[in-house]
Amino acid sequence: QQQVKQSPQSLIVQKGGIPIINCAYENTAFDYFPWYQQFPGKGPALLIAIRPDVSEKKEGRFTISFNKSAKQFSLHIMDSQPGDSATYFCAASKTAGTASKLTFGTGTRLQVTL
Amino acid sequence: SAVISQKPSRDICQRGTSLTIQCQVDSQVTMMFWYRQQPGQSLTLIATANQGSEATYESGFVIDKFPISRPNLTFSTLTVSNMSPEDSSIYLCSVDRDHGYTFGSGTRLTVV
Repeated sequence: QQQVKQSPQSLIVQKGGIPIINCAYENTAFDYFPWYQQFPGKGPALLIAIRPDVSEKKEGRFTISFNKSAKQFSLHIMDSQPGDSATYFCAASKTAGTASKLTFGTGTRLQVTL
Repeated sequence: SAVISQKPSRDICQRGTSLTIQCQVDSQVTMMFWYRQQPGQSLTLIATANQGSEATYESGFVIDKFPISRPNLTFSTLTVSNMSPEDSSIYLCSVDRDHGYTFGSGTRLTVV
């Protein structure tokens, strides 16, 4: 059972555009929602994360929007650049207990063209 | 965030053999996580390793196939045993530092 659904699978935008990647989760016990960026040959790197007590969080050009009632969250990349071309993964976890673990979405391959 | 060193970065192995992957963290952590990322796919958790106790495996992964050691708070190994071509994947270790999960750069394994 896939607990975190991510869309789209791939995305092509022009430089300066605002790609939006969406995720939906099922487990209401999740209370931590990070986004990861992965370049080929590298491990995922944490971009930005949000908890359900806020509806939006911004760090630089990256913004997470969170809708608790709909159990959805999304990543927006402002003024996208060719260097943002990578695969993006959303994830979710529970912080309660000692064995919190990340459940990942299926990933979105982003290409930013000139 | 934690710095993770993972070795080897890649390997090509014969089917039926075993490979041990090492993960070294620059500071003590309670739990270490091992993930598998099949080509072009997402990350799937294999197991969680606590120091001084047996690893906890996720559904579909067993200790005989993926034995894990956790001898201290900064080091862990994952062994991929009796390998087949279906084991060709990237294997990543991860640690959780105040919920800032950090990943190693991964081990790209090809089984021929």
